[in-house]
This record gives sequence, structure tokens and C-alpha cells, in this order.
Amino acid sequence: AQSVTQLDSHVSVSEGTPVLLRCNYSSSYSPSLFWYVQHPNKGLQLLLKYTSAATLVKGINGFEAEFKKSETSFHLTKPSAHMSDAAEYFCVVPKGGNTGKLIFGQGTTLQVKP
Amino acid sequence: KAGVTQTPRYLIKTRGQQVTLSCSPISGHRSVSWYQQTPGQGLQFLFEYFSETQRNKGNFPGRFSGRQFSNSRSEMNVSTLELGDSALYLCASSIRQGMGETQYFGPGTRLLVL
Repeated sequence: AQSVTQLDSHVSVSEGTPVLLRCNYSSSYSPSLFWYVQHPNKGLQLLLKYTSAATLVKGINGFEAEFKKSETSFHLTKPSAHMSDAAEYFCVVPKGGNTGKLIFGQGTTLQVKP
Repeated sequence: KAGVTQTPRYLIKTRGQQVTLSCSPISGHRSVSWYQQTPGQGLQFLFEYFSETQRNKGNFPGRFSGRQFSNSRSEMNVSTLELGDSALYLCASSIRQGMGETQYFGPGTRLLVL
């Protein structure tokens, strides 16, 4: 069965410093993987997705993630945090094939300090 | 192209009442999924509709139901509301079903049950 585990419930960084949000996945086959972001009182916005085309995936707003099969990880990074990056981030895997059912991690709250 | 829209955005109901939430997908999208977001349980899948047929259902009681119309618009209904149904209900749409398909989320309907 597919699942994702976000290793940190809360991450705090200073503006201008790198961001690392960690996600491990469990899947019996090479999955699709997504990162979504949710700003306060907003819906979910897709940051990036992995669909086995390239292991390093670039997303919006300077975020990127690397799919590492050997480590079953899909960590999200950004070289330099901006105040507007403060939000909750979700690592997501679709359950099964041909389905719209997404399995969400528990979320990581990113705090950006001035 | 307009995004996913959900109505109403906010709703207050009392225990025992029923409620209907509406979701209009992005034009051309035929798959609509619903999710419940609560602080305690996180984001949980409710159900998915594709071409007016329910394709997947999450682990929610029968009080939660939904349907999809021929224009792909979807409604979900919760009968006999309980306090624990207070949540943000998110709708997502995608062009079709599939592992790599991106789901685009609406802003959500925030339901408060008193």
C-alpha cells in the first residue's frame, strides 16, 4: 500500500536561508509523488510533481525535489527562504492506479523568521 | 481558465441538520474528488467521481454522500450533522483519472457544526 511520512511537523528557518522539508514514501512500485502547499485559510496549490520522467523535479517559486528510490525519499528544498513561503506543505502520493484518491502526509508547517 | 470553485465558502449548521456543498471543476475536467481536512485527522479522502460515476470511496459513514452531474459539477451531502463534521471540505478536479494526473484544488468550504 502507498503511504507518505513527513518527518518534521514544524520547520523554522530564517529568511534567506535554505529550506529542507523531508518526506519518505512507501510504495510497491515507482509512484507518482506530489508536493502541495497550503497558505492560511486557502486551498491547496501544487508545487511540483514527480512522474518518473526525471528524478530532480523543479516546481514553482524556486522549489525543487529529488526522487531517491534507494532512500524512498522525496525531500523538498529551496535555496533561499522568503517570508511568503510560510505555509503548510504536504507530501502526497496517489493510492493505486487510475484513481483520484490522494494520500496526504501529515503536513509540515514552515515558519520563516525575518 | 477559471479554477475550481466551491460554494458556499463558509457555513454554520447545528447538529442533526443536513448540508449540501457544491463544486464546479475546471472546464474540461471530468474527475472530481472530495477531501475533508481537520486539525486532528489531517486531509482525508471522501470520494471521487468520474463521468457521473463514483469510482472510489473513503472510510466515511453513509451520512456522507455525493453525486456528479453531466456537466461534471459535483455536490456532496452530509446528513444528520455531528460536531465532528466541522472541517474544511476541499474539492479537487483533474482532466481524467490516472496515477500522474494533477488534481487542482478549490478554496474549500469551511463547515462549522454547533
